[in-house]
Amino acid sequence: DAKTTQPTSMDCAEGRAANLPCNHSTISGNEYVYWYRQIHSQGPQYIIHGLKNNETNEMASLIITEDRKSSTLILPHATLRDTAVYYCIVRVRRTSGSRLTFGEGTQLTVNP
Amino acid sequence: DTEVTQTPKHLVMGMTNKKSLKCEQHMGHRAMYWYKQKAKKPPELMFVYSYEKLSINESVPSRFSPECPNSSLLNLHLHALQPEDSALYLCASSRPLADRGTQYFGPGTRLLVL
Repeated sequence: DAKTTQPTSMDCAEGRAANLPCNHSTISGNEYVYWYRQIHSQGPQYIIHGLKNNETNEMASLIITEDRKSSTLILPHATLRDTAVYYCIVRVRRTSGSRLTFGEGTQLTVNP
Repeated sequence: DTEVTQTPKHLVMGMTNKKSLKCEQHMGHRAMYWYKQKAKKPPELMFVYSYEKLSINESVPSRFSPECPNSSLLNLHLHALQPEDSALYLCASSRPLADRGTQYFGPGTRLLVL
């Protein structure tokens, strides 16, 4: 699975959009971009994933650049409860149980 | 029901004790996972079970012994652990045939080895 690079930490004001970047310059054509988050002392939570098109669900939007070498997770109206470590993971979509390789992630702090 | 449950929430054990961690899901998932997470570090995969068979063992020491008695249950048996094994142990599950990389995690068991 391709390596990802994320900023160590970011701050965001409550109610504003949080834009979390991820670089994955060695991504190959069949690798998806997944985002998970982990609120303190809880298990990781799946947020969203995509291949090359932008994706949106009830939690967030995922913007993938045309060359697929980077992506941005957007939380449109961040709340205090969005404070968490956000992990960007690149992996092939496999048909059997397989590993998620977590990087160090980005600590997002939403401030009142 | 998209819940993975883990018991106990907290566990303190001595280095000579034997204990077990339990994980349960009722989503019909046929792949289940154990991850270990040290403080301020990302989770690291330990084991994967697919259709109740061990499919991945990430060279985990034998003092950790996984067991998958049925499709809903996953256990992690602990014996003769070391203080450095203190960590948050996370269980997860997913649908292997329609794997979209979406794994559902439990809240974890926080283990302290004295």
